Amino acid sequence: EPEVTQTPSHQVTQMGQEVILRCVPISNHLYFYWYRQILGQKVEFLVSFYNNEISEKSEIFDDQFSVERPDGSNFTLKIRSTKLEDSAMYFCASSTTSGGINEQFFGPGTRLTVL
Amino acid sequence: RKEVEQDPGPFNVPEGATVAFNCTYSNSASQSFFWYRQDCRKEPKLLMSVYSSGNEDGRFTAQLNRASQYISLLIRDSKLSDSATYLCVVKLPTGGGNKLTFGTGTQLKVEL
Repeated sequence: EPEVTQTPSHQVTQMGQEVILRCVPISNHLYFYWYRQILGQKVEFLVSFYNNEISEKSEIFDDQFSVERPDGSNFTLKIRSTKLEDSAMYFCASSTTSGGINEQFFGPGTRLTVL
Repeated sequence: RKEVEQDPGPFNVPEGATVAFNCTYSNSASQSFFWYRQDCRKEPKLLMSVYSSGNEDGRFTAQLNRASQYISLLIRDSKLSDSATYLCVVKLPTGGGNKLTFGTGTQLKVEL
């Protein structure tokens, strides 16, 4: 069964450093997403991406964040200057279309720890 | 008011019990509704979509009441493997972004 993959599974970084989280969505999917979940809290939407551009972003997704699809398979989330409060599990998701009950498939997540 | 509200639990039930979870959402324009399951430190996985007429998938039954902005999930004959956090998820008809809005989840523990 096709699945979303993410690397690394755990990233530890110093405050102020840049990190890039990587995702490989399911191959025939066209819509890509990043969510995050701070420990003990709910899953929160960050950004959605379609046709090589951002289609929606949340208030969390400020100028420190960016997304890119550098090639036909990878989808990345970059945090330019990490803060302590960026520590969270980051989930990538993908879907075939955007409408109705179309399922978003989630990757296993990258646990980001900012020290 | 929270966008999606759930009782955090935990619900501790014996194996074989029937358990029900409720969820309310604040935006009446919400378009699609789902229950996701999340195991500890794992990704959310779709359990079932929720249709206006209600729907059933094996031991799981979901109901939607648009007038009351209320969603429910019923689990019959609970198994140990049902122990997880159940996330109520809503999708708004936003500007093409397709974002999902999650509740905080209800924790279920099924015991022998």
